[in-house]
Amino acid sequence: AQSVTQLDSQVPVFEEAPVELRCNYSSSVSVYLFWYVQYPNQGLQLLLKYLSGSTLVKGINGFEAEFNKSQTSFHLRKPSVHISDTAEYFCAVSISANNLFFGTGTRLTVIP
Amino acid sequence: EAQVTQNPRYLITVTGKKLTVTCSQNMNHEYMSWYRQDPGLGLRQIYYSMNVEVTDKGDVPEGYKVSRKEKRNFPLILESPSPNQTSLYFCASSLPPYNEQFFGPGTRLTVL
Repeated sequence: AQSVTQLDSQVPVFEEAPVELRCNYSSSVSVYLFWYVQYPNQGLQLLLKYLSGSTLVKGINGFEAEFNKSQTSFHLRKPSVHISDTAEYFCAVSISANNLFFGTGTRLTVIP
Repeated sequence: EAQVTQNPRYLITVTGKKLTVTCSQNMNHEYMSWYRQDPGLGLRQIYYSMNVEVTDKGDVPEGYKVSRKEKRNFPLILESPSPNQTSLYFCASSLPPYNEQFFGPGTRLTVL
């Protein structure tokens, strides 16, 4: 069975500091990986995705993530956060068109 | 503009009063899904549809119904809402095979 674990439910970080949001998944087959962002009182927006190819994926707003198959991880990183990055971030794993599993989310709070 | 729309955005109702949340997409996507978002639980899939007249249960289908009579529309029906269905609901559409979801803005439902 597939599952997605976001290890940190809340991550506070000071403005301009780097941040890493962790995501691990369990799957015995090849997967597609996504990070979504949800700003306060808004829907979910795709931040980045890994489908195949290079394991380092760049997304919007300066975020990037690295797919590590041996560790079954897809951690999200940003070298310098802004106040506007305060949001909830969801990792998601898909093995087919009918199966998409979300993690429980990580709330990133950027402190001025 | 490519988008998924939901209506209403906010709804307060009472136990047992039937309601419908509409969802429409203009991207000609084959797949559509309904999710509910609850604190600490992330997003859980309620129902999904692979095409017109083809629907199937997700992880938490109890108490919900759906229909897909047209490709662009996928309404969610609560025939007898209960307080445990108070939640934030998202409709999404996607294209196989990667299952990248395009989300609507959400409907916040409160059942008293």
